[in-house]
Amino acid sequence: AQKVTQAQTEISVVEKEDVTLDCVYETRDTTYYLFWYKQPPSGELVFLIRRNSFDEQNEISGRYSWNFQKSTSSFNFTITASQVVDSAVYFCALSENGSGNTGKLIFGQGTTLQVKP
Amino acid sequence: GAGVSQSPRYKVAKRGQDVALRCDPISGHVSLFWYQQALGQGPEFLTYFQNEAQLDKSGLPSDRFFAERPEGSVSTLKIQRTQQEDSAVYLCASSLEAGVNGYTFGSGTRLTVV
Repeated sequence: AQKVTQAQTEISVVEKEDVTLDCVYETRDTTYYLFWYKQPPSGELVFLIRRNSFDEQNEISGRYSWNFQKSTSSFNFTITASQVVDSAVYFCALSENGSGNTGKLIFGQGTTLQVKP
Repeated sequence: GAGVSQSPRYKVAKRGQDVALRCDPISGHVSLFWYQQALGQGPEFLTYFQNEAQLDKSGLPSDRFFAERPEGSVSTLKIQRTQQEDSAVYLCASSLEAGVNGYTFGSGTRLTVV
C-alpha cells in the first residue's frame, strides 16, 4: 500500500536556525515521484520540488535542500537559516508512476513549521 | 487564466443542502484532480479527469459526491445532502499532461456544514 508519514506534527524554531522536516514513504512500485509542497495560511499548495525515484542525488535550492535515501524510504527537507516567511504547513507527497496510473498524489499529514523572530 | 481558480472561496451550507463547487483549471491543462482536505490533515484524493473523461473516482467518499467536466475544461464538484463530516477544504489541481508532470493547485473552497 502507498503511504506517506510525516511524524513531526509541529516544529517551532527561532529565526536563523536550521530545521529538518522528515518524510518516510511506503510504495510497492519501483518507479515513483516524491514531492514537497508548502501551504501558507492562504491555503494554496505551493510546489517546492519533485524527485524521480531513480535520481538519488541530493538537491539544493537556495536555503532549501532535500535528502533522498531510497534505502530508508526517506525524503527529508532542510531549511537553512530559517526566516519568518518560512512559517507554513509543509506536505510530503508520493505519486506512483506505473502503467495506467493517473498520477494522483498521496500526501502525508503535514508538518506545521513556526519560525519565531 | 494564470492559475487555477476555484469558487466560491468560502461556502456555508445547512445540513442537507446541496452544494456545487467550481474549478477553472489553467487553459489547456488536460488533467484535473479534486482533493479533500480536512482540518489539520493532508489533502486526500477524490477524483481525476483526463479532458472530459472521469478516469478515477475511487476517492469519492459516498454516492452523495459527484464530479463532472463536460467540456474538458471547467469542472464542478457537487455534494448532495451535505453532512457535517463534509466540512473541509476542497482543492482542485490541474496539469498539462496526463500522469505526473507537475501540478498547479487552486486556493480551494472552504466548505462548512452547519
